[in-house]
Amino acid sequence: GNSVTQMEGPVTLSEEAFLTINCTYTATGYPSLFWYVQYPGEGLQLLLKATKADDKGSNKGFEATYRKETTSFHLEKGSVQVSDSAVYFCALTRWNAGNMLTFGGGTRLMVKP
Amino acid sequence: DVKVTQSSRYLVKRTGEKVFLECVQDMDHENMFWYRQDPGLGLRLIYFSYDVKMKEKGDIPEGYSVSREKKERFSLILESASTNQTSMYLCASSSGQPSSYNEQFFGPGTRLTVL
Repeated sequence: GNSVTQMEGPVTLSEEAFLTINCTYTATGYPSLFWYVQYPGEGLQLLLKATKADDKGSNKGFEATYRKETTSFHLEKGSVQVSDSAVYFCALTRWNAGNMLTFGGGTRLMVKP
Repeated sequence: DVKVTQSSRYLVKRTGEKVFLECVQDMDHENMFWYRQDPGLGLRLIYFSYDVKMKEKGDIPEGYSVSREKKERFSLILESASTNQTSMYLCASSSGQPSSYNEQFFGPGTRLTVL
């Protein structure tokens, strides 16, 4: 079956530090991969996505590359801001049910000034 | 902008009560979803609907039912609330066919506490 494993948080960084949040997955077939972000008091919103191997998704300075050989989709940002403090979820589409997602456990990021 | 609204942000109920959580979307989306969010477990799918009056069980449907009488509205029902149903409940909607991914848009969530 499908599963997504994320590094446990919280991750605490100082402003302008480099961010990596690890995500690995197991899946049947060739899933699409996503990062969703949840800001305090809000619902989830799509941050970026990649639909096939070696694709790089990017948005708002965040990037993630679909690595089929290591079954990973790590989220990176070169210089975090306080406003990036949120919970980040890695997710993938399910085999034969592409509209349904499997989510990881979420990683809380706290950025200090 | 797509808007998904949920009837309550916070709800407190007693064990054994019947609980209704309502979700409304304004973008004429075919698909609607109910998830629960628990620390360390991420989001888990409870039920999914791809059309009016249609529903599919997700990963954890036990103790829940759903209703979709109108395209824009998807209700989650706890027939007899229990303390282990204390959680954050998130509704989402998307367009398109169930076989293909389209971005899911989420509501702000309802934090339910069952005493």
